[in-house]
Amino acid sequence: QVQLQESGPGLVKPSGTLSLTCAVSGGSISSSNWWTWVRQPPGKGLEWIGEIYHSGSTNYNPSLKSRVTISVDKSKNQFSLKLSSVTAADTAVYYCARSYDSSGWDRSSWWVDPWGQGTLVTVSS
Amino acid sequence: SSELTQDPAVSVALGQTVRITCQGDSLRSYYATWYQQKPGQAPVLVIYGKNNRPSGIPDRFSGSSSGNTASLTITGAQAEDEADYYCNSRDSSGNHRGVFGTGTKVTV
Repeated sequence: QVQLQESGPGLVKPSGTLSLTCAVSGGSISSSNWWTWVRQPPGKGLEWIGEIYHSGSTNYNPSLKSRVTISVDKSKNQFSLKLSSVTAADTAVYYCARSYDSSGWDRSSWWVDPWGQGTLVTVSS
Repeated sequence: SSELTQDPAVSVALGQTVRITCQGDSLRSYYATWYQQKPGQAPVLVIYGKNNRPSGIPDRFSGSSSGNTASLTITGAQAEDEADYYCNSRDSSGNHRGVFGTGTKVTV
């Protein structure tokens, strides 16, 4: 089955750029799914950051849009997150995941599965 | 609106039934998806679509929807069900944004 693994620096300086990569194994990043980033500050809830399709099409959380870039590298079967101008408020566990969309006759559905194990990124000098 | 609201915490006696709710305008257009998260672990999908359980999720978990409210019911709660539970959906305004609920801590 598909597995995802985040990698990147665990410590980023304020005003710097957070960069993470998500390696996809057991499946192709060119499948008909969105590839998603979600974060969770310590002790808080989940926040959707954004997503990318293998074609390169992206959607971002409006609250982060000016600072976020998500890209895909099909040759390496991975996708990446960059978050610029970070502050302490960006300290969080960052998860990568696959997501699905489905349209039903009465309601649509969107779900995120599977998730990577998550990686803690701390913003501190 | 793109907000999904959940009760912060609920408690249930071992073997009893608990219902967790999620409210938001987007739920008139989307079924809520439900995730279970235990401390130090990534979220795990427990209910998706109208009322679908991934392989390995016990049948004591079920989902339902009515109007702008979705519910996750645990029938016969077990000690291992103690966790945080989050709902999510797409924003129904058409911008394809993902939204997570505020989360509910379930204590068994």
